[in-house]
Amino acid sequence: GDSVTQMEGPVTLSEEAFLTINCTYTATGYPSLFWYVQYPGEGLQLLLKATKADDKGSNKGFEATYRKETTSFHLEKGSVQVSDSAVYFCALSEGETSGSRLTFGEGTQLTVNP
Amino acid sequence: DGGITQSPKYLFRKEGQNVTLSCEQNLNHDAMYWYRQDPGQGLRLIYYSQIVNDFQKGDIAEGYSVSREKKESFPLTVTSAQKNPTAFYLCASSQPGEYQPQHFGDGTRLSIL
Repeated sequence: GDSVTQMEGPVTLSEEAFLTINCTYTATGYPSLFWYVQYPGEGLQLLLKATKADDKGSNKGFEATYRKETTSFHLEKGSVQVSDSAVYFCALSEGETSGSRLTFGEGTQLTVNP
Repeated sequence: DGGITQSPKYLFRKEGQNVTLSCEQNLNHDAMYWYRQDPGQGLRLIYYSQIVNDFQKGDIAEGYSVSREKKESFPLTVTSAQKNPTAFYLCASSQPGEYQPQHFGDGTRLSIL
């Protein structure tokens, strides 16, 4: 079945450091890929997405590129801020009509210190 | 503003009791989902519904039940058969279409007294 593997956390960085959170996937078809962010005590918010190979999703300074050859969708940000501290989830959707099941990675806790 | 409302935010249950978690959306989405999140873990799918009056089991449906009588509502009942119900429960919805992202509520934290 489908699966998503994220780099183990937690990750602790200083403000303005470069961030990479690795994500690789296993899927039988051509999935859509997503990054979600969860702030303490809240639900998940969509951060960015990519729906086909070589697509780059971007939002709020975060980027991720859909790499079919390496089955990866790594999240990057050039300069993190304290407000980026949260849990980040990589997810994939194989696609079904009228809504799609998501398969999530385990999440990576990011803490950014001033 | 459109969104997903989960209530209550915190819920306490005694051993042997059933409890129902509410999820309402005004996004006009066809599909709705229930996830369970445990500390340090990803989300696991409990049930999902792609259309009114129809729903399917997810990966961990045992001890849970749902109904979908209205498009905007998808309540989850945690029954006494669920042996380890303490968790954070998240409801989500999505538009029709293969590439539409899911939108999440703020969750309900269930604890056993």
